[in-house]
Amino acid sequence: KQEVTQIPAALSVPEGENLVLNCSFTDSAIYNLQWFRQDPGKGLTSLLLIQSSQREQTSGRLNASLDKSSGRSTLYIAASQPGDSATYLCAVMNRDDKIIFGKGTRLHILP
Amino acid sequence: NAGVTQTPKFQVLKTGQSMTLQCAQDMNHEYMSWYRQDPGMGLRLIHYSVGAGITDQGEVPNGYNVSRSTTEDFPLRLLSAAPSQTSVYFCASSPDRFGTEAFFGQGTRLTVV
Repeated sequence: KQEVTQIPAALSVPEGENLVLNCSFTDSAIYNLQWFRQDPGKGLTSLLLIQSSQREQTSGRLNASLDKSSGRSTLYIAASQPGDSATYLCAVMNRDDKIIFGKGTRLHILP
Repeated sequence: NAGVTQTPKFQVLKTGQSMTLQCAQDMNHEYMSWYRQDPGMGLRLIHYSVGAGITDQGEVPNGYNVSRSTTEDFPLRLLSAAPSQTSVYFCASSPDRFGTEAFFGQGTRLTVV
């Protein structure tokens, strides 16, 4: 059974710092891994999608990496801003067609 | 282009009542799925569908039914609501299950009293 773990559960950093969020998964038989952002009381917004054959994806200040063999992904946020404060979720699409989520990392950027 | 539309946004049910949460997408996506989100639990997969006429169970399917008679619609039915089903429910769709981006609705906040 696929298990997705996100560490840390919560993180507070001063504005302007670079930071890394971690995601690990137990079963490497995946189609892709996706990072989402969720603001309080809102739905999920897709940030980056990494196919199983890819190593990384970049969008603006965000960079996501994938090491399928070790079951790990990281989301790197450069030059953090107060507007980056949100919960970040990673999810894997298994080859059994199920999408499994981690519990998320609550990020707070201190002005 | 409306994307993924969920209705209603809020609902209060009494224990034992039944209801249907609606989910519709206008992007001709094959893959659709339902999740519930509870504090500290992340999103858990309830049911999913890889195409019209095909549904399957996720991690927490008990107490919920789904059907997929059309590509566009994927309703979630609660047959006899229980307080343990109080949660926020999200519907999502993606073009296929192989490696394409998932799009989420805005959620339905359900309270069972």
